[in-house]
Amino acid sequence: QQQVKQSPQSLIVQKGGIPIINCAYENTAFDYFPWYQQFPGKGPALLIAIRPDVSEKKEGRFTISFNKSAKQFSLHIMDSQPGDSATYFCAASSQSNYQLIWGAGTKLIIKP
Amino acid sequence: DTAVSQTPKYLVTQMGNDKSIKCEQNLGHDTMYWYKQDSKKFLKIMFSYNNKELIINETVPNRFSPKSPDKAHLNLHINSLELGDSAVYFCASSPKGGSEKLFFGSGTQLSVL
Repeated sequence: QQQVKQSPQSLIVQKGGIPIINCAYENTAFDYFPWYQQFPGKGPALLIAIRPDVSEKKEGRFTISFNKSAKQFSLHIMDSQPGDSATYFCAASSQSNYQLIWGAGTKLIIKP
Repeated sequence: DTAVSQTPKYLVTQMGNDKSIKCEQNLGHDTMYWYKQDSKKFLKIMFSYNNKELIINETVPNRFSPKSPDKAHLNLHINSLELGDSAVYFCASSPKGGSEKLFFGSGTQLSVL
């Protein structure tokens, strides 16, 4: 019940396309859903996060869509660029237990 | 002005040795963490300290011992290194006692030969 399942494991998209990375969770107590971006040789960095009181959040070219009834959330990258090539992690946590539960990561490659 | 800095960046050592990784954050955060990232990029939390008090201690061999001399520093000491310890170790910090907005260091690539 503590798991966060992330898919796909890897994704290759042409420049300008819209990669979509999906995550699913079981624990209904989760109330914070961040996405982290990790470049090679660097630590993960917070990209965007959402709480379950909204169904969508946009920051620049990055959008989180959240479906509370389905217990799923996804990351969309609009007008993707080669510089977006990185590993993306979804995660979830609850206020009662602050420990972040991480997805397994998605390696995204944007081809020029 | 690196927010979370850890040293060394690379560590190559022989099986059976003891080694330490140091971490410092200049963000004024109360909570610090150690994470292990394996070759498949999976992130696993190892320890978390809040104001020098251990609050998360996951199932980690007791060869791994964290030490927090003050809330800006969290070091990781590893005894009797094994081949399976090879991984990237990340230090992180967050402003509250929770998990919101983790700030990660650049990692220490540990290779045990």
